[in-house]
Amino acid sequence: KAGVTQTPRYLIKTRGQQVTLSCSPISGHRSVSWYQQTPGQGLQFLFEYFSETQRNKGNFPGRFSGRQFSNSRSEMNVSTLELGDSALYLCASRPTAVWDTQYFGPGTRLTVL
Amino acid sequence: GNSVTQMEGPVTLSEEAFLTINCTYTATGYPSLFWYVQYPGEGLQLLLKATKADDKGSNKGFEATYRKETTSFHLEKGSVQVSDSAVYFCALSGQETSGSRLTFGEGTQLTVNP
Repeated sequence: KAGVTQTPRYLIKTRGQQVTLSCSPISGHRSVSWYQQTPGQGLQFLFEYFSETQRNKGNFPGRFSGRQFSNSRSEMNVSTLELGDSALYLCASRPTAVWDTQYFGPGTRLTVL
Repeated sequence: GNSVTQMEGPVTLSEEAFLTINCTYTATGYPSLFWYVQYPGEGLQLLLKATKADDKGSNKGFEATYRKETTSFHLEKGSVQVSDSAVYFCALSGQETSGSRLTFGEGTQLTVNP
């Protein structure tokens, strides 16, 4: 089976712009979660989607949003980018029958200038 | 809330040395515990997991035992290789009703020298 894929792998934006990141889960996985990884804050949970519904949300401002499509692919959007949004954004998917185990993609490296 | 604390790094070892990376957690109920590994420029790979007290997770020579009495999940390997150089993250997943949110430790950078 193909793993979790994320596009693009690298992105450079300027302050004030918005960005959309994409994630395709492992085939058959219906849950997709997003995490932000920074040197200062480590790995932090953003949100989880299951069957197109947001199930869980971390402690991030409303500039961070996401959605999931009927084919389980997910996108996350960050509006009005700030320098502090520079991070590695990781997507993870999990099989429906296993509630606790997530499999991660390679991440999208976002740099905000 | 849930939290995970890892031993401070970085850790530098010679090839074939014994590895221990400490991990303790705070959580309500009965979380599942994980170790993930991250190689440079890559995402996280699941290394091993344990879902209940006294379970031992193992993979590629790495082991960790779920100790509920000490709320710990220390990672061990008897003989490390240069290829084990990476960042290791301890994590927990809370109760199913809260979804599958993972809470991570700070990460421990391991460097293995030949």
